[in-house]
Amino acid sequence: DAGVTQSPTHLIKTRGQHVTLRCSPISGHKSVSWYQQVLGQGPQFIFQYYEKEERGRGNFPDRFSARQFPNYSSELNVNALLLGDSALYLCASSFGQRTGELFFGEGSRLTVL
Amino acid sequence: AQSVTQLDSQVPVFEEAPVELRCNYSSSVSVYLFWYVQYPNQGLQLLLKYLSGSTLVESINGFEAEFNKSQTSFHLRKPSVHISDTAEYFCAVTSPFTYGGSQGNLIFGKGTKLSVKP
Repeated sequence: DAGVTQSPTHLIKTRGQHVTLRCSPISGHKSVSWYQQVLGQGPQFIFQYYEKEERGRGNFPDRFSARQFPNYSSELNVNALLLGDSALYLCASSFGQRTGELFFGEGSRLTVL
Repeated sequence: AQSVTQLDSQVPVFEEAPVELRCNYSSSVSVYLFWYVQYPNQGLQLLLKYLSGSTLVESINGFEAEFNKSQTSFHLRKPSVHISDTAEYFCAVTSPFTYGGSQGNLIFGKGTKLSVKP
């Protein structure tokens, strides 16, 4: 079975631009969470979506937004990119919203110049 | 608010030696605890978890962790490490009672890089 897939795997943007990251969860999983992992730090929670509704939001500015589609895939959007947004963005899926056990993709590495 | 502290950023050990990676958490409510492992250029993989019941939990590859409520700890141990255990290990916490019942919100520590030398 395919795991969590993310695209693109690497991308380079300049300050002020916009980026869209995509995630396909494991088949049958209805919950998708997004995390930001800055170099040398642990992942930080950005959003969780379950059944296409936002179920949790971390301490990130409004420049960050996300959505979940009817097929449970998800997009993370970041507007007005800053240098500090450079990070590995991880998507994780789980069957329900209460399991606490997440399956992570390999991430999208964003570099902002 | 919950938090996780991993006391060691790097742990070098020789192959076949025992290892302990330390994790302490802070929470005012009940917790679920996890250890995730991240191999180079890969995403995180769940190593083991504590949800309830026995305070000693084990993984399939020889790691174990013990939930100690009085010391608010969830240290990870392995009696004999292999070169292939070289990776970064993250301790994480969440609660059954997070807002809206959502447990996709894991609070991670900063990670411990385990380096196993021959």
